[in-house]
Amino acid sequence: GVTQSPTHLIKTRGQQVTLRCSSQSGHNTVSWYQQALGQGPQFIFQYYREEENGRGNFPPRFSGLQFPNDSSELNVNALELDDSALYLCASSSLGQGSYGYTFGSGTRLTVV
Amino acid sequence: GESVGLHLPTLSVQEGDNSIINCAYSNSASDYFIWYKQESGKGPQFIIDIRSNMDKRQGQRVTVLLNKTVKHLSLQIAATQPGDSAVYFCAEATGTYKYIFGTGTRLKVLA
Repeated sequence: GVTQSPTHLIKTRGQQVTLRCSSQSGHNTVSWYQQALGQGPQFIFQYYREEENGRGNFPPRFSGLQFPNDSSELNVNALELDDSALYLCASSSLGQGSYGYTFGSGTRLTVV
Repeated sequence: GESVGLHLPTLSVQEGDNSIINCAYSNSASDYFIWYKQESGKGPQFIIDIRSNMDKRQGQRVTVLLNKTVKHLSLQIAATQPGDSAVYFCAEATGTYKYIFGTGTRLKVLA
């Protein structure tokens, strides 16, 4: 499956944070989503074979990396209070077809 | 665990009844649709999907119906069980697998 770390995190406004994800073995695509309380997940960006393959409506202070070993990172700089949310990592094998993304359980980020 | 959605539309059904959860999607170019179930403290869990060249697909106890004319998607759950209580999201995608999620519906199963 997809595992994310840490499960919970508290940061101060202005700080930087790195969230980690270990994708399902063999999956070549990872996407990150932000889910605010009471809302559906919102697409941040997608990485395919270690390159950004698409981006949602998020500012450049949200950045990511994908590594060859099925792991990836989401970095957020200059944290704002509104960045408090559940951050979800999802992996897939692009072109696999009907099985879609497998989501991790997320990292709950609280910015104070 | 934490609540996934505090002010979501809620559907309450009796255990054993059938549930129908509806979703309106936004992009007529979307060609892939998915239903996810999300329990408190967990990530979305894949339930069933459908491509735009189909109008119905069945799984185990679940059926998804797609009406492209009115951009409407529905999830039918047969013989609803207490374990089906969760928030359900529909998502639409076009080719790149960027998912656009709906706002979600909370399903409450009454014993």
